[in-house]
Amino acid sequence: GAGVSQTPSNKVTEKGKYVELRCDPISGHTALYWYRQSLGQGPEFLIYFQGTGAADDSGLPNDRFFAVRPEGSVSTLKIQRTERGDSAVYLCASSQGKDEQFFGPGTRLTVL
Amino acid sequence: DAKTTQPPSMDCAEGRAANLPCNHSTISGNEYVYWYRQIHSQGPQYIIHGLKNNETNEMASLIITEDRKSSTLILPHATLRDTAVYYCIVRVANSGYALNFGKGTSLLVTP
Repeated sequence: GAGVSQTPSNKVTEKGKYVELRCDPISGHTALYWYRQSLGQGPEFLIYFQGTGAADDSGLPNDRFFAVRPEGSVSTLKIQRTERGDSAVYLCASSQGKDEQFFGPGTRLTVL
Repeated sequence: DAKTTQPPSMDCAEGRAANLPCNHSTISGNEYVYWYRQIHSQGPQYIIHGLKNNETNEMASLIITEDRKSSTLILPHATLRDTAVYYCIVRVANSGYALNFGKGTSLLVTP
């Protein structure tokens, strides 16, 4: 079956702009996670959704970052007033309940 | 979640067994050991997990010491496609919480 998909695969933006990154989880998966991965580092947790609600958003670095999952399926990560330090690969994962997480290919964000 | 320690890099010849160590001396009684790997330019992929007994699946074997303070992931016959970064993670199973990846071990399988 289809895995986790993320769009766009690459996004280049200018400092100060607003961006949205989309994640389509595996159908029926109730849990959805966002991670951020900088060059040479392991993925770092941002936010976790159980259904429509954010169960844990402790990894969001500041209030410029926000994520939604209005219907309990697709999720959008929103970044306001982007900064060069936001450049990274943004990974999305989904799981059925609390089982293993399945990851998408990521969105590579470059802030110029 | 408990912290893990892994060597930054390892080499392995194709066809040989790759043994990747992980130290987790502060692991709690209800924490499992998970292994994920990340092939270049892809998202991480689940490999295996265990509590205290050794585990085996189609991808790998996981050996956990009796005191649970360390473990070894074994790829029995490494192929070039196994070249990846391997992450050892300890966490409470069925917690629904995030994975704490650390830096992992970069495994290079050579011809």
